Amino acid sequence: DTGVSQDPRHKITKRGQNVTFRCDPISEHNRLYWYRQTLGQGPEFLTYFQNEAQLEKSRLLSDRFSAERPKGSFSTLEIQRTEQGDSAMYLCASSLALSVNTQETQYFGPGTRLLVL
Amino acid sequence: KQEVTQIPAALSVPEGENLVLNCSFTDSAIYNLQWFRQDPGKGLTSLLLIQSSQREQTSGRLNASLDKSSGRSTLYIAASQPGDSATYLCAVMNSGYSTLTFGKGTMLLVSP
Repeated sequence: DTGVSQDPRHKITKRGQNVTFRCDPISEHNRLYWYRQTLGQGPEFLTYFQNEAQLEKSRLLSDRFSAERPKGSFSTLEIQRTEQGDSAMYLCASSLALSVNTQETQYFGPGTRLLVL
Repeated sequence: KQEVTQIPAALSVPEGENLVLNCSFTDSAIYNLQWFRQDPGKGLTSLLLIQSSQREQTSGRLNASLDKSSGRSTLYIAASQPGDSATYLCAVMNSGYSTLTFGKGTMLLVSP
């Protein structure tokens, strides 16, 4: 078990470009979460999946943000038409929920640091 | 809406000192509370998790306490070392939800 991995670790892009980040959770984990962390702040929840189902997406920052987990394994977070305010660390976490109503420890990946010029 | 506050925002101590980091939250209907460590530019490492029914958890030199009714938690670090230098984040999971609400963190510097 290598833990949660994220790719790329760093991304520099120009304003207006689209970017996509990938997260590979711990292999047996069925829940996957995305958070955003800006400088000097704690992580802020964006969205999460149970298997391939996206259970909460109302906290995505705008309609430029979207996430998928097509086969219930890895997930992608896409930001379209990036803005300078999107510059942040994007963190992924995963957990093993034994039933729909359980709440469990989340394990975080190393993050993807995005800089929008 | 749950809000989490951490005090102090930054702390600098000499090696060997015992120290306390504070966390408060506005909604006491929590499922658990977790303390994380974050090194500069890195992801989060879970240190301790306290279920709402528990009062404290210990791991090595770390001890975390929880007073759910007053909305407070403390992280006690004994005999601090330079390797403890990092940002410490407190996060709560509200009952009925699976998402974490974080504080802004306490940046700790332990000097040799």
